[in-house]
Amino acid sequence: GENVEQHPSTLSVQEGDSAVIKCTYSDSASNYFPWYKQELGKGPQLIIDIRSNVGEKKDQRIAVTLNKTAKHFSLHITETQPEDSAVYFCAASRGADFGNEKLTFGTGTRLTIIP
Amino acid sequence: EAEVAQSPRYKITEKSQAVAFWCDPISGHATLYWYRQILGQGPELLVQFQDESVVDDSQLPKDRFSAERLKGVDSTLKIQPAELGDSAMYLCASSFGPDTYEQYFGPGTRLTVT
Repeated sequence: GENVEQHPSTLSVQEGDSAVIKCTYSDSASNYFPWYKQELGKGPQLIIDIRSNVGEKKDQRIAVTLNKTAKHFSLHITETQPEDSAVYFCAASRGADFGNEKLTFGTGTRLTIIP
Repeated sequence: EAEVAQSPRYKITEKSQAVAFWCDPISGHATLYWYRQILGQGPELLVQFQDESVVDDSQLPKDRFSAERLKGVDSTLKIQPAELGDSAMYLCASSFGPDTYEQYFGPGTRLTVT
């Protein structure tokens, strides 16, 4: 089955600086890579995702890059703000391959923005 | 904005007791997932429904866990009997259906087994 590794496990950055979280996956059939933000006591919130037919996607201060050859993808947050502090999870799935849509998650990155 | 609803939000139970969690997916979402999240880890799939049918329950401990989605809308996950190792966050997610990718999560039920 799929295995997703995520690094780093903790990350502290000064407010206004950029943060980068990296993930690798093992299943070459995976074609959908979402990122979730989870605040304390809440469920994961989908913040951005990318499909295997593109290499990069951006949404305001958040961007995700995908390298299918190397089987890794990354989350980039620019101009970080205190409200970005949370645990971030990457995940991978076979997307719309019926019966194989389950998400395999990484172990999470606790991001702390230092004011 | 439509959301996945879950209840209760918190549950404390003694080991060997029965416990049940309820989930109401986003209206119109045909696919429903139950995930379990142990503290400090990412969620792991327990069971996936497509309408009222189970698509994947390979990771569901069937000796003590059961799940149903009788009318293809809301769903119940049950544990009987609960064990200490079942303490975790139980998350429900939904997606529009086949050929869609995005999964949206509810707030979860935090279970503590004493």
